[in-house]
This record gives sequence, C-alpha cells and structure tokens, in this order.
Amino acid sequence: AQTVTQSQPEMSVQEAETVTLSCTYDTSENNYYLFWYKQPPSRQMILVIRQEAYKQQNATENRFSVNFQKAAKSFSLKISDSQLGDTAMYFCAFVDTSGTYKYIFGTGTRLKVLA
Amino acid sequence: NAGVTQTPKFRILKIGQSMTLQCTQDMNHNYMYWYRQDPGMGLKLIYYSVGAGITDKGEVPNGYNVSRSTTEDFPLRLELAAPSQTSVYFCASRINGGAREAQYFGPGTRLTVL
Repeated sequence: AQTVTQSQPEMSVQEAETVTLSCTYDTSENNYYLFWYKQPPSRQMILVIRQEAYKQQNATENRFSVNFQKAAKSFSLKISDSQLGDTAMYFCAFVDTSGTYKYIFGTGTRLKVLA
Repeated sequence: NAGVTQTPKFRILKIGQSMTLQCTQDMNHNYMYWYRQDPGMGLKLIYYSVGAGITDKGEVPNGYNVSRSTTEDFPLRLELAAPSQTSVYFCASRINGGAREAQYFGPGTRLTVL
C-alpha cells in the first residue's frame, strides 16, 4: 500500500529564518507526483508546490523549494525567509499515474512562524 | 474562473436530519472528490468521481451518498445526521496529468451535528 509519512507534528521558526519540513513516502510505482499543500487558519487548502517524479530537478516556487530524493523516497519542503503568513498546517501528498485516482495525504505538520 | 465553490459555508444539523452539501467546479475537470477533516486531523476521502455518471467509495463512505449527473456538480448527501459527522467537508477537483496535475480545493463546509 502507498503511504505518506510526516514525522514532525509541529515546528516553529523565527521570522526571516529558513525551515525544512520532512516527508517520506512508500510506493512501488515509478511514475508519480508529489505535492505540498498549505492550510492556513482559514482552512483553505492551497497548493504550494508540485514535483513530477521523472524530473530530477527540484521544484521551486519563490521562497518554497523541495529536496526530492527518489531513491530514498524523501520529499522535504524548504521555506526560506519565513513570513508570519506562512503559519499554517502543511500536508505532503502523493498520487501515482498508473490509473489510481486517489491522492494520499500525510497527517500534516503544523508550522508556526514567530515574530 | 471561480474554481471550486461549496455551499453552505456553515451548517448546524440536529441528529437525524438530512442535508446536501453542494460542490461546483468551472474548470471542466473530470475528477472530483469529497473529503472530511476532523479537528486537528488530516483528510479522509469519502467519495470520488472520475467523470459524470461514475462514482466510487473512499475510505469513510458510511452515512453519505453522492451523485455526478454533470461534469460541474458533485453534491454530497448526508442521511440521518449523527454527531460523528461533525467535521469540515472539502470538495476538490483534479486536473489529470502533465505539468498542471493537482487537486484544487473548495473553501470547505463546516458542519456541526447536535
């Protein structure tokens, strides 16, 4: 069975500092996508970043970047220059391209950015 | 594009009442999903649809029903509401494959059953 594990239930970081959130996954598939979603106190689920497994280059979106290690099945999110608005729950997610329609979500990491 | 819209935003039900949570997307996505999120927890899949007329159960379907008569709409029906169904309900649609693969979520419906 495919699984997504986020081992850090809560983290905190000082404003303007850098923080890394961890995610590991398990799959026997070779082609898949990985995602980080942000859920601020408003509860809206917002796509932060996407990584296609066949791409070796790590995805970046402004202050957000990932470290994708396919062999290790690791997918961490780095947030640079943390801002108060980054305070949120962050979910790692996975979907394979074999015809399974379901996204697998991790249990989330609650990030608090401190002023 | 409005994206994924959900109504109502909030609702309080009495035990045994029924209601329909509405979900509409205007992105012409074939895939749609319903999740519930209990306080402090992650997402649990209730039902999903891969296109009009096709639906299937997720991991927690009991107490719920869905229909998908059009590409745009994917309503979730709660029959005989129970306190265990108190949760935030999210609808999502999915663009499948390629550089834009992702699920896109509605703003959620907060449901309380008393």
